[in-house]
Amino acid sequence: DQQVKQNSPSLSVQEGRISILNCDYTNSMFDYFLWYKKYPAEGPTFLISISSIKDKNEDGRFTVFLNKSAKHLSLHIVPSQPGDSAVYFCAASGAGSYQLTFGKGTKLSVIP
Amino acid sequence: ETGVTQSPTHLIKTRGQQVTLRCSSQSGHNTVSWYQQALGQGPQFIFQYYREEENGRGNFPPRFSGLQFPNYSSELNVNALELDDSALYLCASSPPTSGIGETQYFGPGTRLLVL
Repeated sequence: DQQVKQNSPSLSVQEGRISILNCDYTNSMFDYFLWYKKYPAEGPTFLISISSIKDKNEDGRFTVFLNKSAKHLSLHIVPSQPGDSAVYFCAASGAGSYQLTFGKGTKLSVIP
Repeated sequence: ETGVTQSPTHLIKTRGQQVTLRCSSQSGHNTVSWYQQALGQGPQFIFQYYREEENGRGNFPPRFSGLQFPNYSSELNVNALELDDSALYLCASSPPTSGIGETQYFGPGTRLLVL
């Protein structure tokens, strides 16, 4: 049973437009959420995180939104750049546990 | 500041053999976690080490074991390798934290192929 779900395996966006990547979770004990970016043959690179006490966190072009009642979070990238093309993973951890539970990832392609 | 490093980058083993993978934590980090990433899947938590002790374990059998050393580097050992153990093995380190959540920083991974 997948506790973190990324239902879109892939997404294509024009350069300069907004990319929106979505993630749903089922475990109400999760209280910390992270997004990682992964290029082929590299490990995941931390992008941005949000704790359950917030509903938005922003870092440059990247913004993460958390809707606890819907158990949904999203990553917005504005404006999208070709270098953003990668696989994006959503991850979550719960109170008292630092284990990260990952989704299966969404492959983002930004078209020049 | 040196990031998380892993060795070897890739290796090939045969079924039934044993393998040891190594990880050096990022400077100042005292917690190490190991993950297995199969093709097309997200990373799956194997276990975490803090102060040289196992501090949580995922749904992996006992033939997956680990060590953390006083300098916070770590090893992952897998005995009696099976074909399904073929995957990318990721090590992640975390700094000391007192708040909610912990950000883990990943190494480049070791790609293991079991034939």
